[in-house]
Amino acid sequence: GAVVSQHPSRVICKSGTSVKIECRSLDFQATTMFWYRQFPKQSLMLMATSNEGSKATYEQGVEKDKFLINHASLTLSTLTVTSAHPEDSSFYICSATTSGRFNEQFFGPGTRLTVL
Amino acid sequence: EDQVTQSPEALRLQEGESSSLNCSYTVSGLRGLFWYRQDPGKGPEFLFTLYSAGEEKEKERLKATLTKKESFLHITAPKPEDSATYLCAVQAKTRSNDYKLSFGAGTTVTVRA
Repeated sequence: GAVVSQHPSRVICKSGTSVKIECRSLDFQATTMFWYRQFPKQSLMLMATSNEGSKATYEQGVEKDKFLINHASLTLSTLTVTSAHPEDSSFYICSATTSGRFNEQFFGPGTRLTVL
Repeated sequence: EDQVTQSPEALRLQEGESSSLNCSYTVSGLRGLFWYRQDPGKGPEFLFTLYSAGEEKEKERLKATLTKKESFLHITAPKPEDSATYLCAVQAKTRSNDYKLSFGAGTTVTVRA
């Protein structure tokens, strides 16, 4: 149980285009999902927290208009990187937790974004 | 601000050579301390959550312990398949109950046969 998937696993895009990454909880209802970014040989940096049906809460320094997060259902959250630039190239990872089980946070396999 | 410091940055072990990883933390009020394993190009895999000083948890060759200032992850008689980056994270008690995790930089363990 507690499986989180991400799609796509890899994406390469041209500078200036937008890219959408999906995060799904497959066997539980995710009341809260988190989005992280990880640069090579660095740890996970939290970008934003999203609760189902409400606006995401962004960490300091993360541009809301650039990284659009939608948590439309209890099993799906999306991260859209708008007008991507090479410096947005990174490993994006989502995690999910459920009400009453906030001591457990389950991670997806990650999405490698490369912006040319 | 919550701070998590892991040491060493990298650890090279011979198969069977036991060792420990350290995670020092500063947090206003600890809700939980988490250990994850991360393989290259993959998302973190949950290992343990510890809640209070003195608590210990075990899973196969791994044992995690917790004090008021730090946590240790002991690897007993490691095998090559234990090679990975081990991440420590803290979850603080906050007014907003946001359940965020703050991660350390990780310890990359390489076990040679």
